[in-house]
Amino acid sequence: IAGITQAPTSQILAAGRRMTLRCTQDMRHNAMYWYRQDLGLGLRLIHYSNTAGTTGKGEVPDGYSVSRANTDDFPLTLASAVPSQTSVYFCASRGHLNTEAFFGQGTRLTVV
Amino acid sequence: EDKVVQSPLSLVVHEGDTVTLNCSYEVTNFRSLLWYKQEKKAPTFLFMLTSSGIEKKSGRLSSILDKKELFSILNITATQTGDSAVYLCAVPSSGTYKYIFGTGTRLKVLA
Repeated sequence: IAGITQAPTSQILAAGRRMTLRCTQDMRHNAMYWYRQDLGLGLRLIHYSNTAGTTGKGEVPDGYSVSRANTDDFPLTLASAVPSQTSVYFCASRGHLNTEAFFGQGTRLTVV
Repeated sequence: EDKVVQSPLSLVVHEGDTVTLNCSYEVTNFRSLLWYKQEKKAPTFLFMLTSSGIEKKSGRLSSILDKKELFSILNITATQTGDSAVYLCAVPSSGTYKYIFGTGTRLKVLA
């Protein structure tokens, strides 16, 4: 693994199903983020974690949950998917406060 | 409420043209402003700006910050088709690790 990895790269999901998007980084970054990107709306923060063991809500947290059991992993769970959650999801991480965030390659999720 | 606004939303130019992209922000306890380029997939980092008036440069791209007027510009000279992308501006929200992104400027460079 080099950098930040997301899985799967794409998924079609039936409405009502549960889904976990995976995110792993090997840079020992403290902060991790989940964003969704929709046309015309840019990147919107879903949840974030400043350090292992802590999480916080972003702009659009409803319908999503996260956990941060260790430094490397930050999974995003949709408990019961709805069509409005169709989007491209990006995981990102950052080390120190004044450094840039690195992004994973994204997961394209379609809820039908 | 913290916010970041980019303009224009989209831009179409011809190869060789020079473009200027704008990013204005309202954030308390400002620390830095970042520019990213997004082609097909993940945003890739271009610049981080923390001080007014100091230009950051990388090849044909340059950027500068004005902390008094609360904006930054990204210039691309002698544009090429490979510059076609969405350019994103981001600012960390007040005293937190959270980035606020603008909606981006979609640049298309025609051959």
